[in-house]
Amino acid sequence: DQQVKQNSPSLSVQEGRISILNCDYTNSMFDYFLWYKKYPAEGPTFLISISSIKDKNEDGRFTVFLNKSAKHLSLHIVPSQPGDSAVYFCAASAANNNDMRFGAGTRLTVKP
Amino acid sequence: NAGVMQNPRHLVRRRGQEARLRCSPMKGHSHVYWYRQLPEEGLKFMVYLQKENIIDESGMPKERFSAEFPKEGPSILRIQQVVRGDSAAYFCASSPTHIGSSYEQYFGPGTRLTVT
Repeated sequence: DQQVKQNSPSLSVQEGRISILNCDYTNSMFDYFLWYKKYPAEGPTFLISISSIKDKNEDGRFTVFLNKSAKHLSLHIVPSQPGDSAVYFCAASAANNNDMRFGAGTRLTVKP
Repeated sequence: NAGVMQNPRHLVRRRGQEARLRCSPMKGHSHVYWYRQLPEEGLKFMVYLQKENIIDESGMPKERFSAEFPKEGPSILRIQQVVRGDSAAYFCASSPTHIGSSYEQYFGPGTRLTVT
């Protein structure tokens, strides 16, 4: 039961351009969404989050957009840097659940 | 303020042996979560604990797996009679609160279990 889906396993972007990572969810009870970044041999690191009462949250080069009607969120990174190369996980939680659901991840490669 | 600590980082066990994975949450965090990541897959929730209590173990396999978070000491994920399918990366996360849904989890570096 994959309630959070990241349909693109990988994405390659040129340095300085925009990276757009997408995430879809099926559970309408989700009301808090997060993006995590993971380097090899390390644990995921929290990047940015958004509550369902908002449709946009920005933190420096990172912006998360939420489209509740489409059950879709995206992470924009601009400008992309080689150090952004990592696996990005989308996650979602609901007030009536104890667990956080993660997508399968998207591997971003930023080429110099 | 040290982050979430997990040990060992790598663990090799033969089929049938027991595996014990330890997790020390961040200072001040009383909520602990365990996840498993199989190759090419995302993180799968296993169990959520608070001190001395299992809050939600809906993601734990019914047999051979158990978890605890004692009053003193780290949280332990125990896998008895390991099989090759248990080979995975196991991540622990902690959070300072768990109110509603708006909380961030902070992850440890993971324990990579290999069953030979």
